[in-house]
Amino acid sequence: DAKTTQPPSMDCAEGRAANLPCNHSTISGNEYVYWYRQIHSQGPQYIIHGLKNNETNEMASLIITEDRKSSTLILPHATLRDTAVYYCISLTFQGSARQLTFGSGTQLTVLP
Amino acid sequence: DTEVTQTPKHLVMGMTNKKSLKCEQHMGHRAMYWYKQKAKKPPELMFVYSYEKLSINESVPSRFSPECPNSSLLNLHLHALQPEDSALYLCASSHGTSGRETQYFGPGTRLLVL
Repeated sequence: DAKTTQPPSMDCAEGRAANLPCNHSTISGNEYVYWYRQIHSQGPQYIIHGLKNNETNEMASLIITEDRKSSTLILPHATLRDTAVYYCISLTFQGSARQLTFGSGTQLTVLP
Repeated sequence: DTEVTQTPKHLVMGMTNKKSLKCEQHMGHRAMYWYKQKAKKPPELMFVYSYEKLSINESVPSRFSPECPNSSLLNLHLHALQPEDSALYLCASSHGTSGRETQYFGPGTRLLVL
C-alpha cells in the first residue's frame, strides 16, 4: 500500500501562494496522486489528481516530481476560505477495487 | 449536479436504539461508500458498494449494517451502538472503483451515542 506523509500544519498569508508538500515514495507507477480538502465539519472536497504530468484546474495546481516520490499542491492566491485540512491520498488495492486511504493531512491556516 | 445528500445532519441515540442513516446521489454513480471520521482524525473507509453489491467491508462490527436498495441510495442501519461509535459518518460516490474516479462526498451525519 502506498503511504503518504504530510506536515501536520502550515500557515499562509492571504493572497499569497500556498504550497503544500506530500511524500509518497512507495506509490506504484500506475497509481494516481489525489488531493482532497476538508473544511471544518464538512465532507471532503476533491481538488485535483495527477499521474506523472503537472496538472492545473480552477482550484489548484499539482506538481509531481519526475521520480513520483513527492508532489506539491499549489493554491496560487490563498483566501481565508481556503483554511482547511488538505489530504494527499494514496490508493489501496483491495481485491478488484482501489480505495482511497487518507493520510493524516495538513491543516492549512490562511492568515489575514 | 455533483451533490451527495445525507440525512439526518445530526443524530443522538441511546445504546438500545435502532436508527438509520441515509445517503442519496443522482449523478449516475455506480459505486457508493461509507466512511467514519473521529474528531481530528482522517476519514476511515467502512463499506464499499459497487453496482449495488457489497464489495468491501473493512471488518466493521455487525452493529453497523449497510444496505443499497438501488443505485442512487445507500443506507447505514445502526443497532446497539456504543459511545465510542460517536463520529461523523460520511457517504461518498464515484463512477466506479478502479481508483481513477473522483469520489464526491456528502456533508456527513454527526452521530452521538449516549
